[in-house]
Amino acid sequence: NAGVTQTPKFQVLKTGQSMTLQCAQDMNHEYMSWYRQDPGMGLRLIHYSVGAGITDQGEVPNGYNVSRSTTEDFPLRLLSAAPSQTSVYFCASSYSRGLYTEAFFGQGTRLTVV
Amino acid sequence: KNEVEQSPQNLTAQEGEFITINCSYSVGISALHWLQQHPGGGIVSLFMLSSGKKKHGRLIATINIQEKHSSLHITASHPRDSAVYICAVRDNYGQNFVFGPGTRLSVLP
Repeated sequence: NAGVTQTPKFQVLKTGQSMTLQCAQDMNHEYMSWYRQDPGMGLRLIHYSVGAGITDQGEVPNGYNVSRSTTEDFPLRLLSAAPSQTSVYFCASSYSRGLYTEAFFGQGTRLTVV
Repeated sequence: KNEVEQSPQNLTAQEGEFITINCSYSVGISALHWLQQHPGGGIVSLFMLSSGKKKHGRLIATINIQEKHSSLHITASHPRDSAVYICAVRDNYGQNFVFGPGTRLSVLP
């Protein structure tokens, strides 16, 4: 049972390059999300999806695109990388049953933009 | 003012000490989660609370909805407890989380 798989674990980009961070889950969760984690700050929501074909913006969506063509996959695309996007990125999936929510996180991607 | 605050930011303890990490929030929530993040590693969920108290091994989490406050306690702390502990609240409308900045705990042998 793999849970949430995120790739790559590390990445260095030059300013202006584009790339896709991959996220896959095998738990059939409808809800998936991407966060970035910066020093001294809590994780901040970039984009999220409540199911295949449905995505929405979070708190810090600028410079990022997402798509959700299948329940399993939720890739995050950096269109034109900027040094301000240097961060650690986490993908998460979760399910809710009434008030109960269980959340699962990927191992994170440490991205450096030079 | 951040919606979710944690104290302390950093905490160093000796092995065996009782540890308390606090979380306060300013928004209406349906649930609060405590998460653990090891250095260089991913994030794992420790507890989900909507009321009262939960215990798992040496970890105890409590929440006071009226005071908008939660605490995470670690009894008989051990060096392997060294990690960043993150408080996250889920709003009333969906599955989005708002995260606190984390508390970095170091337990020395």
